[in-house]
Amino acid sequence: NAGVMQNPRHLVRRRGQEARLRCSPMKGHSHVYWYRQLPEEGLKFMVYLQKENIIDESGMPKERFSAEFPKEGPSILRIQQVVRGDSAAYFCASSPQGQRSYEQYFGPGTRLTVT
Amino acid sequence: RKEVEQDPGPFNVPEGATVAFNCTYSNSASQSFFWYRQDCRKEPKLLMSVYSSGNEDGRFTAQLNRASQYISLLIRDSKLSDSATYLCVVTLTDSWGKLQFGAGTQVVVTP
Repeated sequence: NAGVMQNPRHLVRRRGQEARLRCSPMKGHSHVYWYRQLPEEGLKFMVYLQKENIIDESGMPKERFSAEFPKEGPSILRIQQVVRGDSAAYFCASSPQGQRSYEQYFGPGTRLTVT
Repeated sequence: RKEVEQDPGPFNVPEGATVAFNCTYSNSASQSFFWYRQDCRKEPKLLMSVYSSGNEDGRFTAQLNRASQYISLLIRDSKLSDSATYLCVVTLTDSWGKLQFGAGTQVVVTP
């Protein structure tokens, strides 16, 4: 059973460009979460999605950041007009429905560097 | 005040020894508790859930103290492979999908 997949693993963008990060959850998982880890800091929750629905986006910056989890295909975290402060590791996690829905399994992350 | 606080360490532990460390949380509405481990800033991996009655998984024992709002992790017979950063994680009753991470406790097991 393949784990959570994220791509690209490394992404370099110049200031002002757009970054698109993709996440494919584990097979059978219908809940997706995005977290950000800044250098020397802990992980911070960004957004929780189910298919075609945003459940909790309380951790998303108000501007430039958006996320989606369409009916078909991976979840996408989109950052418009990137700035140096967006440089971080972005982790996606997924969880199943039902009794074990609280157990989140993480992908390898995308390391975004803004130059 | 941070919602989840941990001693950053490092805890330097001789191989075979026991190490224990705590994590405190500020919100009494916290519902679920977990320990994750993270190696060299790779992805966090779920180590164990923490139950009210305390639970054990091999050499790892987790305890929850709701009255004092802390959880603990004890590692017995430490192995070199236990060297990692251990992340304390809590969720709130009304936002269970949102994991709140501590900054982590670094453990270094030495030969």
